Amino acid sequence: AAGVIQSPRHLIKEKRETATLKCYPIPRHDTVYWYQQGPGQDPQFLISFYEKMQSDKGSIPDRFSAQQFSDYHSELNMSSLELGDSALYFCASSPGQGPYEQYFGPGTRLTVT
Amino acid sequence: KQEVTQIPAALSVPEGENLVLNCSFTDSAIYNLQWFRQDPGKGLTSLLLIQSSQREQTSGRLNASLDKSSGRSTLYIAASQPGDSATYLCAVCRRGGSNYKLTFGKGTLLTVNP
Repeated sequence: AAGVIQSPRHLIKEKRETATLKCYPIPRHDTVYWYQQGPGQDPQFLISFYEKMQSDKGSIPDRFSAQQFSDYHSELNMSSLELGDSALYFCASSPGQGPYEQYFGPGTRLTVT
Repeated sequence: KQEVTQIPAALSVPEGENLVLNCSFTDSAIYNLQWFRQDPGKGLTSLLLIQSSQREQTSGRLNASLDKSSGRSTLYIAASQPGDSATYLCAVCRRGGSNYKLTFGKGTLLTVNP
């Protein structure tokens, strides 16, 4: 069965650079979530989208922005990167705007040097 | 604010033992609870999902229970194996804005010794 795809899997950037993370949900899933997991930390909710509209926002810095496109894939744009942004970024998808099971991708490991 | 606590933070057991991992949450207004497994530096593998109306779910050697009113869930692993060594995370689903989001605990690091 198709799973959530995230790209790139690994990304190394320098401070103050910009990064773009991509997420391709499971086919026919129209809801996407982004989570950030810092070293030794639990995943923290960043933002979610349903039908290309932002549906909820968590502890996402103003330097980050995200959107969901017409094909339901989502991109997380991160600017003015800081060392503290180094983390594993997960995308999850679900089949609709409800308390459905969230299916997680393998994550993108971002390292900021 | 929803807080999720997992006890113990780390657990080391000999192979073959049965064990229980605990998860507690402060706000009982949850819609479901998921247990995940995470290997070091890897992604999240969903193990079990319990809807708020359910009391337990089973998958192979795993059994998860939910007591929503008391804000507790347990993950029971039978006949543990070295391959079960990983961090186990529980996450509760609650309403956020017009959608639903997961709040995670910090996990229990399980080591099963051969």
